[in-house]
Amino acid sequence: GQQVMQIPQYQHVQEGEDFTTYCNSSTTLSNIQWYKQRPGGHPVFLIQLVKSGEVKKQKRLTFQFGEAKKNSSLHITATQTTDVGTYFCAGGPDSNYQLIWGAGTKLIIKP
Amino acid sequence: DSGVTQTPKHLITATGQRVTLRCSPRSGDLSVYWYQQSLDQGLQFLIQYYNGEERAKGNILERFSAQQFPDLHSELNLSSLELGDSALYFCASSVVRGYGYTFGSGTRLTVV
Repeated sequence: GQQVMQIPQYQHVQEGEDFTTYCNSSTTLSNIQWYKQRPGGHPVFLIQLVKSGEVKKQKRLTFQFGEAKKNSSLHITATQTTDVGTYFCAGGPDSNYQLIWGAGTKLIIKP
Repeated sequence: DSGVTQTPKHLITATGQRVTLRCSPRSGDLSVYWYQQSLDQGLQFLIQYYNGEERAKGNILERFSAQQFPDLHSELNLSSLELGDSALYFCASSVVRGYGYTFGSGTRLTVV
């Protein structure tokens, strides 16, 4: 079946360093969505990318959708403590209108 | 407040028991999704309803069932509970199927 692989599973950074998480799909996606889950919280929708090669920015966050619409990345510049959490990508929807979720990347700020 | 309401927030119950989790979707959203998240794990899709009808099933155990009512609220029923069922259960809703989910704050189920 369709799968979305997300790496890395964890990333430890010093505050002020950059962070990147990557998602790769086994099939072409119609869109990719990104969600953030703070510790103890629920996933919150960040953005949706639809077009091949699309790049969108939200302040220090940059989202990219690959030309083949099979991969995506989220890059955070100069991380802050408020960025801590798990970032999920979700591709799709599939023929059942389901999102195919990546396993998430946990951003940890080193003390 | 995301607009998706889940009750109860916490639930502690014994093995073998049955519980019902409730979800009210955001106003106007016809699609409701249920997810299970075990400790520090990803989101496991359980089931989806659209305007009262079941539309898709994921890795939902036979001991689990759900329904969506005419007012669009949904309930997830978990029976013959086992220790391994302890998890966060999220409900999400969306206006258009498959796009821009809004999640509730979840129900934390602890089976002892």
